[in-house]
Amino acid sequence: AQSVTQPDIHITVSEGASLELRCNYSYGATPYLFWYVQSPGQGLQLLLKYFSGDTLVQGIKGFEAEFKRSQSSFNLRKPSVHWSDAAEYFCAVVNSGGYQKVTFGIGTKLQVIP
Amino acid sequence: NAGVTQTPKFQVLKTGQSMTLQCAQDMNHNSMYWYRQDPGMGLRLIYYSASEGTTDKGEVPNGYNVSRLNKREFSLRLESAAPSQTSVYFCASSGDAGGGEQFFGPGTRLTVL
Repeated sequence: AQSVTQPDIHITVSEGASLELRCNYSYGATPYLFWYVQSPGQGLQLLLKYFSGDTLVQGIKGFEAEFKRSQSSFNLRKPSVHWSDAAEYFCAVVNSGGYQKVTFGIGTKLQVIP
Repeated sequence: NAGVTQTPKFQVLKTGQSMTLQCAQDMNHNSMYWYRQDPGMGLRLIYYSASEGTTDKGEVPNGYNVSRLNKREFSLRLESAAPSQTSVYFCASSGDAGGGEQFFGPGTRLTVL
């Protein structure tokens, strides 16, 4: 069965500092991978996705993520965090064959301090 | 293009009352989903509909029923609400070509007293 682990429930970074949010997945083949962001009181919005090809993918709002097959990871990064990035971030894995079952991680809440 | 819409935004129920949460999408997506979100538990799938006319149980279906009324609409019904169903409910949809990318509604915050 596929699964997603986000080991950091809560992260605090200073504005302007770099950010890395971790995501590890379990799936038999190469999955489709997603990062979503949820601002307070809102639904989830897609940040970026990986299906195949270049393992470094660019997303909206200056985020990027790197797929590392050997580590079963898909970590989200941003070089310089802005106060408006404070939100909850969810990693998701989708099986790449048959019905597209989606499994979400439990989320990482990002706090940005001045 | 409104995307995915949900009504109501907020609801307070008493234990034992029933209600239906409405969801509609205008993206011609085949698949639709209902999730609940609780602190520390992420998103848990309640029910999903892979296509019009079909529905299947997700991870936490007990106490809920769904109806895929047509391709656009997917409703979630609580027949006899319990305090354990206090949560934020999200509807989502996805298209066949999106690789599972989901589009979410704004959510319904439900409190059961």
